[in-house]
Amino acid sequence: QKEVEQNSGPLSVPEGAIASLNCTYSDRGSQSFFWYRQYSGKSPELIMSIYSNGDKEDGRFTAQLNKASQYVSLLIRDSQPSDSATYLCVVILNTGGFKTIFGAGTRLFVKA
Amino acid sequence: GAVVSQHPSRVICKSGTSVKIECRSLDFQATTMFWYRQFPKKSLMLMATSNEGSKATYEQGVEKDKFLINHASLTLSTLTVTSAHPEDSSFYICSARTGSHYSNQPQHFGDGTRLSIL
Repeated sequence: QKEVEQNSGPLSVPEGAIASLNCTYSDRGSQSFFWYRQYSGKSPELIMSIYSNGDKEDGRFTAQLNKASQYVSLLIRDSQPSDSATYLCVVILNTGGFKTIFGAGTRLFVKA
Repeated sequence: GAVVSQHPSRVICKSGTSVKIECRSLDFQATTMFWYRQFPKKSLMLMATSNEGSKATYEQGVEKDKFLINHASLTLSTLTVTSAHPEDSSFYICSARTGSHYSNQPQHFGDGTRLSIL
């Protein structure tokens, strides 16, 4: 089992819809969770961080964390074609030290 | 805040040349910096973790003599690709993290360097 798993996609949604990106992780001791967006040919950009159970909203983005079920999700409301990118789920495991694990990413395509 | 500057953005050079890439944290002190490479449509691949004032920790399969890393200050790390060959052509990305070595803070990425070896 991979430490951080994401569906590779592509996830295709129409413009204006809600895009839902999911991520599961294997280590119950994980403490910190991040979502990065990476456009093709560019470097990753941090868009959300979440550390405790529940929802965290920032503009059109909402991160949801459920530690009991070991999943973290990212919702993008009112999706725009400019949201088309690969979204990376990143988890910091506490394995005696902090180790950063990147998911392989989910490709999102927002159709105009 | 948390801006990471990477330079140069693009390098095209002949086989056998050594290429140095700089990574700077502009508005924070980065005890730890990371170097990645990424091939088209593939995931980020961690090459090494660089801690200020100490030797870098390389991932398995990454040649430390080929990819020299120096992290001499809290705001600067460099990656030198020595005697580069066409197979070294890739997108190299650095990132920096605030906090101590044992930190659960996010990494902030530079814009990347596209290296093309002819």
